[in-house]
Amino acid sequence: AQKVTQAQTEISVVEKEDVTLDCVYETRDTTYYLFWYKQPPSGELVFLIRRNSFDEQNEISGRYSWNFQKSTSSFNFTITASQVVDSAVYFCALSYNQGGKLIFGQGTELSVKP
Amino acid sequence: DAGITQSPRYKITETGRQVTLMCHQTWSHSYMFWYRQDLGHGLRLIYYSAAADITDKGEVPDGYVVSRSKTENFPLTLESATRSQTSVYFCASRGGQNGYTFGSGTRLTVV
Repeated sequence: AQKVTQAQTEISVVEKEDVTLDCVYETRDTTYYLFWYKQPPSGELVFLIRRNSFDEQNEISGRYSWNFQKSTSSFNFTITASQVVDSAVYFCALSYNQGGKLIFGQGTELSVKP
Repeated sequence: DAGITQSPRYKITETGRQVTLMCHQTWSHSYMFWYRQDLGHGLRLIYYSAAADITDKGEVPDGYVVSRSKTENFPLTLESATRSQTSVYFCASRGGQNGYTFGSGTRLTVV
């Protein structure tokens, strides 16, 4: 079965703290894609990153970084020096070959306090 | 700019009424999806479509009907709305630079 688990329902940090959002996935497919989306209070889904299963290189984009480890089936997301504008719900998602469906985790609500 | 348009953005309907949520894409992406978002559940797949006239159930299809007579449109119908269908509904297509493109969502309240 394909599944994405985000065990952290809510995280609260103070501005400038670093924070890591965990994502664990399950799939039998050898070819798959992993995604992170941000959903700010306005409600739209904002794409952050897509990573395919053959590319285990970590990625850094400004204050954002992602750690993909196939050995532990994890695709964790770290925000360095968090800011109030980072407050949002963050979703990890998995796409695999069958049907092209995108499977979401339950989401992690991040609150960054000034 | 090209994209996915959902309408209406907000809808209030009464229990038992039929309501249709519209989704239109300006590309010709083959795959389209409907998700519902509820607190604690993330986004769950209702139905998806691989092409015109080809649809299939997702995780939570009960109470919903879809059709896809044209590639660009993928309407979702609640045949007899229930309070448990109060949710935010997102339409998506597979394609584009980021892999998937989402509409802005429809907030549906069933009273």
